[in-house]
Amino acid sequence: AQTVTQSQPEMSVQEAETVTLSCTYDTSESDYYLFWYKQPPSRQMILVIRQEAYKQQNATENRFSVNFQKAAKSFSLKISDSQLGDAAMYFCAYRHFSGTYKYIFGTGTRLKVLA
Amino acid sequence: NAGVTQTPKFQVLKTGQSMTLQCAQDMNHNSMYWYRQDPGMGLRLIYYSASEGTTDKGEVPNGYNVSRLNKREFSLRLESAAPSQTSVYFCASSERPASNQPQHFGDGTRLSIL
Repeated sequence: AQTVTQSQPEMSVQEAETVTLSCTYDTSESDYYLFWYKQPPSRQMILVIRQEAYKQQNATENRFSVNFQKAAKSFSLKISDSQLGDAAMYFCAYRHFSGTYKYIFGTGTRLKVLA
Repeated sequence: NAGVTQTPKFQVLKTGQSMTLQCAQDMNHNSMYWYRQDPGMGLRLIYYSASEGTTDKGEVPNGYNVSRLNKREFSLRLESAAPSQTSVYFCASSERPASNQPQHFGDGTRLSIL
C-alpha cells in the first residue's frame, strides 16, 4: 500500500526567506501524481502545485517549486520569498495514475512565517 | 463559481444521534470523496464515489454510510454518532480518475459529538 510521510510537524521561516518542506512516499507503481495542498486557518484546501511522475522536470508555480527525486521517492516543496500569507498547514498527497481513485495524504506540516 | 459546497459548517450532536452531511459540486466532476481530518492524522478517506451510481469504502468507513444521489451530490450519514467521530469532515471532487487534475475541496464541516 502507498504511504506518504511528512516528517516535519512544524517549520518556521523569516519573511522573505526560503523554506523547504519535506515529503517522502512509498509506492511500487511507476506512474503517479503528486500534489502539495495548502490549508490556511480558514480550512479551505488549496492546490499549490502538482507533479506528474513521468515528467523529469520539476514543477514550478511562481514562488513555489518542487524537488522531485523519483528514485529516492522524495517530493519536497520550496517556498521562496516567504510571505505572511504563506502561513498554513501544508499537505503532500499521492495519487496513482489510473485504476484507483484514492488520494493519500501526509499528516501535514504547519508553516509559521515570522515578520 | 461555488465549487464544492458543504452543509452544515458546524454541528454539535449527542451520542447516538444521527446526522447527514451534505455535499454538492457544480463542476461536473465524476468523482467525489469524503475525508475526516483529525489532529496529527492528516486527511483520511472515509468513502469515495468514482462515478455516479458507485461508492466504495476508503480507509476509515466504519460508522458511516454514503449516498451518491446524482452526479452533483454525495452525502455522508452517521447513523449513531459516537464521540470518536468528532472531527472536521471534508468533501472533495475531481474531474475523472485518470487525470492529473487535483481534488477540489469544500470548506469543511466541524462536527462535535458529546
